[in-house]
Amino acid sequence: DIQMTQSPSTLSASVGDRVTITCRASQSVSPSLAWYQQKPGKAPKLLIYKASSLESGVPSRFSGSGSGTEFTLTISSLQPDDFATYYCQQYNSDTYTFGQGTKLEIK
Amino acid sequence: QVQLVQSGAEVKKPGSSVKVSCKASGGTFSTYNLSWVRQAPGQGLEWMGKIIPILGIPNYAQKFQGRVKITADKSTGTVYMELSSLTSEDTAIYFCARGGSLDPWGQGTLVTVSS
Repeated sequence: DIQMTQSPSTLSASVGDRVTITCRASQSVSPSLAWYQQKPGKAPKLLIYKASSLESGVPSRFSGSGSGTEFTLTISSLQPDDFATYYCQQYNSDTYTFGQGTKLEIK
Repeated sequence: QVQLVQSGAEVKKPGSSVKVSCKASGGTFSTYNLSWVRQAPGQGLEWMGKIIPILGIPNYAQKFQGRVKITADKSTGTVYMELSSLTSEDTAIYFCARGGSLDPWGQGTLVTVSS
């Protein structure tokens, strides 16, 4: 199975900050990389698919980039609703894998 | 708009099996695949396997090979995930989700393994 490594595991930031989360794959997964937001007690919510395509209804402050084995999720100006846990996921192979998650906390 | 509706919470004894269902409401699975993902308390998301319902061909994560079985009933539009040889480490919320980039998701099914 392809391994996905996210960094950082925890990120402390303030409202209005620009933040970036990185996801690295053990082999190329382009373009099949998705990003999710999860809040406690809820199912994950799809934010980005195909590495950089914004899911319908997701605010434009979220963006994804990258190719091959390295990908990033950027939130351009943090809003109070954005404090949550974020996961990357590859769906390039017959078996899928998630990163271990990044918890975004209020500084 | 397709919604995925899962079966209710389960409490199981160690060594037993559990079978969780996922049904498409307001639509069908169409040609999409359907994945199962679990989340243990306080832990991250773990992909378990998937199936393409119209073909009935499953793929499983290496970790769960031999212990998980994912099947589809095309007549009822329902996908099942059966996990055997349960231990306390299988206590988790189990989600179904459609597609490669997973959307939508079911509401989750809590499976508790306890003696």
